[in-house]
Amino acid sequence: DAGVTQSPTHLIKTRGQQVTLRCSPKSGHDTVSWYQQALGQGPQFIFQYYEEEERQRGNFPDRFSGHQFPNYSSELNVNALLLGDSALYLCASSHDSSPFYEQYFGPGTRLTVT
Amino acid sequence: GQQVMQIPQYQHVQEGEDFTTYCNSSTTLSNIQWYKQRPGGHPVFLIQLVKSGEVKKQKRLTFQFGEAKKNSSLHITATQTTDVGTYFCAVNSGNTPLVFGKGTRLSVIA
Repeated sequence: DAGVTQSPTHLIKTRGQQVTLRCSPKSGHDTVSWYQQALGQGPQFIFQYYEEEERQRGNFPDRFSGHQFPNYSSELNVNALLLGDSALYLCASSHDSSPFYEQYFGPGTRLTVT
Repeated sequence: GQQVMQIPQYQHVQEGEDFTTYCNSSTTLSNIQWYKQRPGGHPVFLIQLVKSGEVKKQKRLTFQFGEAKKNSSLHITATQTTDVGTYFCAVNSGNTPLVFGKGTRLSVIA
């Protein structure tokens, strides 16, 4: 049973560029949440997708957007990258019956903005 | 918004010693979750506590939810090198997003 997968593993971008990160949820899960984890900090909730729609959103600017596909996989897009966007981006999947219970996290994408 | 404080920020112990991390909130919590993140890894769900005064055990790990549901603790008995990592508490209310603490980083010296 495949767990949560994310791609790419690492990414280096320049300020002002745009980036797309991808996530495939654990088999049987239909809800995907994205988190940003800065060095030495806990994960911070960006948004959650269910049934191809953004259901909840954390305190992140509109530069952060996402998408969920019919197969439940998801993308996180960040436009106009800033140095402060450098972080580990984690995808977590769960079932809609308890969208924030026992979330399964992927290995993350390490984004470096230079 | 909801906030949760974790202490200590760092803990260095000799292998075999016990370890405890605490999570405190100024508001009453509906539940609390604990996650472990190994160095270079991703958070892994450990447990959820829901009831006032609840105590749950997983082998050498003991989790406790305060009577007032404003604090929680994770205690590890006789630490091993495999316990190394950062332990996070995370809280929410109903289906609101999880709010993670800053974590306690545990180092175990063999």
